Amino acid sequence: AQSVTQLGSHVSVSEGALVLLRCNYSSSVPPYLFWYVQYPNQGLQLLLKYTTGATLVKGINGFEAEFKKSETSFHLTKPSAHMSDAAEYFCAVSEANSGYSTLTFGKGTMLLVSP
Amino acid sequence: DAGVTQSPTHLIKTRGQQVTLRCSPISGHKSVSWYQQVLGQGPQFIFQYYEKEERGRGNFPDRFSARQFPNYSSELNVNALLLGDSALYLCASSLAGGGDTQYFGPGTRLTVL
Repeated sequence: AQSVTQLGSHVSVSEGALVLLRCNYSSSVPPYLFWYVQYPNQGLQLLLKYTTGATLVKGINGFEAEFKKSETSFHLTKPSAHMSDAAEYFCAVSEANSGYSTLTFGKGTMLLVSP
Repeated sequence: DAGVTQSPTHLIKTRGQQVTLRCSPISGHKSVSWYQQVLGQGPQFIFQYYEKEERGRGNFPDRFSARQFPNYSSELNVNALLLGDSALYLCASSLAGGGDTQYFGPGTRLTVL
């Protein structure tokens, strides 16, 4: 079975500061890893994904994440936070299972950005 | 191109009633998945359909059912509604399931009174 742990239900940063959102996963097979962002009263928007290959993945809006197999981690970073980054962020893992694959999500981390 | 669309946007029902939620996938996508997101939690997988067949089911009671139509749109039905069914119901589409990226719709907010 696969699982995702997001450390910290809330993270607060100042505008212009580094953003670091932590994600650790558990998977019995090589995982596919995803970060999604959810703005209030909206669905989920894909930020970035890792499937195979390069372990440093660049996404939209200046975000990137690094897959570290030895640490079973996929932390999300952004060098400089912007007010518009305030939202809830979800890490998710998927693995092939009997011909289909579902997403297992973490509980989410709310990013608060102060001026 | 249009993204995933869901209807209705909001819905209020009372306990014991039945509800049907609808989803239209991105053009060309043949797989649809449904997720339930309770307030303060991450989405939880309910169903996945591909080419009109159920591929997978999450840990939800039989009150939850779904189907996919020849045009790849999908419906999620919930019978005998409970207060705990209040949630945001998200539909996601992908090309063919498997490890394909899932793209989410805006969701349907269901409130059960």
